[in-house]
Amino acid sequence: QVQLQESGRGLVKPSETLSLTCSVSGASMNNYYWSWIRRPAGKELEWIARINVNGNTNSNPSLRSRVTMSVDTSNNQFSLKLGSVTAADTAVYYCAREFHDSDGYLYVDYWGQGTLVIVSS
Amino acid sequence: DIQMTQSPSSLSASVGDRVTITCRASQGINNHLAWFQQKPGKAPKSLIYAASTLQTGVPSNFSGSGSGTEFTLTISSLQPEDFATYYCQQYIGYPVTFGGGTKIEIK
Repeated sequence: QVQLQESGRGLVKPSETLSLTCSVSGASMNNYYWSWIRRPAGKELEWIARINVNGNTNSNPSLRSRVTMSVDTSNNQFSLKLGSVTAADTAVYYCAREFHDSDGYLYVDYWGQGTLVIVSS
Repeated sequence: DIQMTQSPSSLSASVGDRVTITCRASQGINNHLAWFQQKPGKAPKSLIYAASTLQTGVPSNFSGSGSGTEFTLTISSLQPEDFATYYCQQYIGYPVTFGGGTKIEIK
């Protein structure tokens, strides 16, 4: 069974970098994209970025300048760094797996449980 | 960005009820729509992709339909484990975007 588990610091100071890692078990990382999605308190889910094992990435234009993703296939993990954070980045962060439908578009088929990150001094 | 509007935002229902949730896209998305279920403190669970294709293991009392801009998720007979919040997601636009959720509560 595919399982994803987020880990990382739950409290980050303003202007610093948020760093999260997602550990994948029960599946190979090949043939999928691996993504981060967040939900700020009281707001809708927001897709952040994705990466595949070849290091190909896409990110939300609204966050692109601050997002860095990486993948470590030897440890079945992928990571997110979000720079220059503010209180607006306080959210539950989810990692997820994306797979192609028959037309080649990527949809989320597995999610992690989510981890709360608070940006505060 | 493509805006996804779900309705209702919440509803009360009883076990055995037929429940329908609507998701509308601000522009046509063909059938590139997914539905998720989330319970408090749990990982969201994928139910449906391509508007109507059930994920493996999803009970057959769930069904999805629609194309273009209007989509529905139907639970034909609500079970106790179905009380949760449901979200739609369009995945043809860039970036992908989500609906605001529909919470199903016990009447």
